[in-house]
Amino acid sequence: QVQLVQSGAEVKKPGASVKVSCKASGYTFTGYYMHWVRQAPGQGLEWMGWINPNSGGTNYAQKFQGRVTMTRDTSISTAYMELSRLRSDDTAVYYCARVEDTAMVNGGDYWGQGTLVTVSS
Amino acid sequence: QSVLTQPPSASGTPGQRVTISCSGSSSNIGSNTVNWYQQLPGTAPKLLIYSNNQRPSGVPDRFSGSKSGTSASLAISGLQSEDEADYYCAAWDDSLNVVVFGGGTKLTVL
Repeated sequence: QVQLVQSGAEVKKPGASVKVSCKASGYTFTGYYMHWVRQAPGQGLEWMGWINPNSGGTNYAQKFQGRVTMTRDTSISTAYMELSRLRSDDTAVYYCARVEDTAMVNGGDYWGQGTLVTVSS
Repeated sequence: QSVLTQPPSASGTPGQRVTISCSGSSSNIGSNTVNWYQQLPGTAPKLLIYSNNQRPSGVPDRFSGSKSGTSASLAISGLQSEDEADYYCAAWDDSLNVVVFGGGTKLTVL
């Protein structure tokens, strides 16, 4: 069965970086895009971008350009999302989602359990 | 301020039919498909409806989606207590080049 398992909660200081992992199993990792979506406490969903695990190509929402880096390691079927220069308003649960395409035309059919990143001094 | 507009709350009694609206513009709903997600408290979003009106396997046919012009809606018939959750609409936006979400609708089963 398809599973996306994310790394554990993180607490970071403002200005630091965080790297969240998303380990995929139960399907061909390189056959689907991996999108990242975040949700601030009590707030709605916000799309961050995607990585193509096959080519390594990425596309980031303009809001995160220059601060986010999405990578992958195909040997262990794992995608990563690194966010740098953290601010307090980056406190959120970060999700990875398996998607057939770049625009989420048919939605994300499987999601990770989420990783809470808390930014606090 | 979300690009897609949803009512913040909706409610119904068991067995009732409720609808949740999602309003957008020509650059998102007007030109791309709409997906709906259900998010139970403390859990990840779950794909409920994709491509405007398609249900993934395992989603009961009590859930249905529709789209007209720059608006979409999610209908839930035969409301059950386990339907109490937050519901989000989403679509690609051709102008912003991002996936945009609605602000979410909290459904309460009375």
